Amino acid sequence: EAQVTQNPRYLITVTGKKLTVTCSQNMNHEYMSWYRQDPGLGLRQIYYSMNVEVTDKGDVPEGYKVSRKEKRNFPLILESPSPNQTSLYFCASSLRGGSEKLFFGSGTQLSVL
Amino acid sequence: DAKTTQPPSMDCAEGRAANLPCNHSTISGNEYVYWYRQIHSQGPQYIIHGLKNNETNEMASLIITEDRKSSTLILPHATLRDTAVYYCIVSRAGNNRKLIWGLGTSLAVNP
Repeated sequence: EAQVTQNPRYLITVTGKKLTVTCSQNMNHEYMSWYRQDPGLGLRQIYYSMNVEVTDKGDVPEGYKVSRKEKRNFPLILESPSPNQTSLYFCASSLRGGSEKLFFGSGTQLSVL
Repeated sequence: DAKTTQPPSMDCAEGRAANLPCNHSTISGNEYVYWYRQIHSQGPQYIIHGLKNNETNEMASLIITEDRKSSTLILPHATLRDTAVYYCIVSRAGNNRKLIWGLGTSLAVNP
């Protein structure tokens, strides 16, 4: 089944403790992206990747890192999480570009205490 | 990219058609209209998109006015599982484009 898989679904951590949220897609998509969703603000793009080894900042990249070493994987790294990064995170992919039909993962609810 | 305006919430009776409006009066000629929905904090799901002509797929129909300044997403026979937030987004196609997400319309389908 074609899908975008995110893990974990829920994560509670403490300030400053490095964490990684994984994202994997099995559709051979070139484009992958991370979003965060906060009440009243809608989905905001954190980082995106047009292809392997090509990443770029979205609208809210501060405090996040990403890497794209393989086409299928696009992990989101928080090296020193802070409470303002408490949010619902989504990974998405599409065949080529950011305005094409996007496939989303089921989300990661992160709480930073 | 053009901005869109959607009502914050709507109700619909189960089994009836749900007609969700979207205003995009500043849309330009090469911008598409995309619709996604998000069911209770799950990942958004693509529904349909169009440029000028009306479009239909297994999920919904998209009606775009002749002047392209507004559109309507139609769910022909709404079910309880269609209760979700529906997003109307306008964007040019292209690899370097991205979708700008608003707050959408929260549709409640009632039994």
